[in-house]
Amino acid sequence: EIVLTQSPGTLSLSPGEGATLSCRASQSVSSSYLAWYQQKPGQAPRLLIYGASSRATGIPDRFSGSGSGTDFTLTISRLEPEDFAVFYCQQYGSSPLTFGGGTKVEIK
Amino acid sequence: QPQLQESGPGLVKPSETLSLTCTVSGGSISSSSYYWGWIRQPPGKGLEWIGSIYYSGSTYYNPSLKSRVSISVDTSKNQLSLKLSSVTAADTAVYYCARHPYPPGVGTGFYDYWGQGTLVTVSS
Repeated sequence: EIVLTQSPGTLSLSPGEGATLSCRASQSVSSSYLAWYQQKPGQAPRLLIYGASSRATGIPDRFSGSGSGTDFTLTISRLEPEDFAVFYCQQYGSSPLTFGGGTKVEIK
Repeated sequence: QPQLQESGPGLVKPSETLSLTCTVSGGSISSSSYYWGWIRQPPGKGLEWIGSIYYSGSTYYNPSLKSRVSISVDTSKNQLSLKLSSVTAADTAVYYCARHPYPPGVGTGFYDYWGQGTLVTVSS
């Protein structure tokens, strides 16, 4: 089973600032099969990025993903008020599918 | 775009079987282009994949739950179902059904549409 470790646990930032979230895998994620989700309180996760760097339908271009192998990054170029949430990475290169523990991006 | 809606008891007694249904609208569960899955999230915690199913009935389960889980699909009703037996308080969670495109993986994938989730509490 691939273990995904997300850092930092919490990121305190102001609107307009940029955010960099990390997701590190315990072993290489095949074919860069890595996705990112955003989850707001009381809501289901929303797909942001798949294939490490492809934005899902309707996702603003301030969200971008990068990385390969064991190290992946989600970057939010300029935080909008609606972006503050918890973000999860997920690998789907091998079974069982696994999720990271999440990074909370909160308003400073 | 599809809509997914989970339904089922919100309270289950310890040692009993948790049963949930997910109704899909706005799309066919029989499409060869998608798998359908269940994911859960204990209150205040992260996400855990339970398993996935294809319209043909092929299933893929998380080994940590495999001995207690059964996922099935009813194409005539456009529904998928989850059964989790011998539940304990550790199974208390919000349960989501979701869709993942196929390819890329067989039984594995990213989830592009999710239901709103349903909270199931295990308590006597």
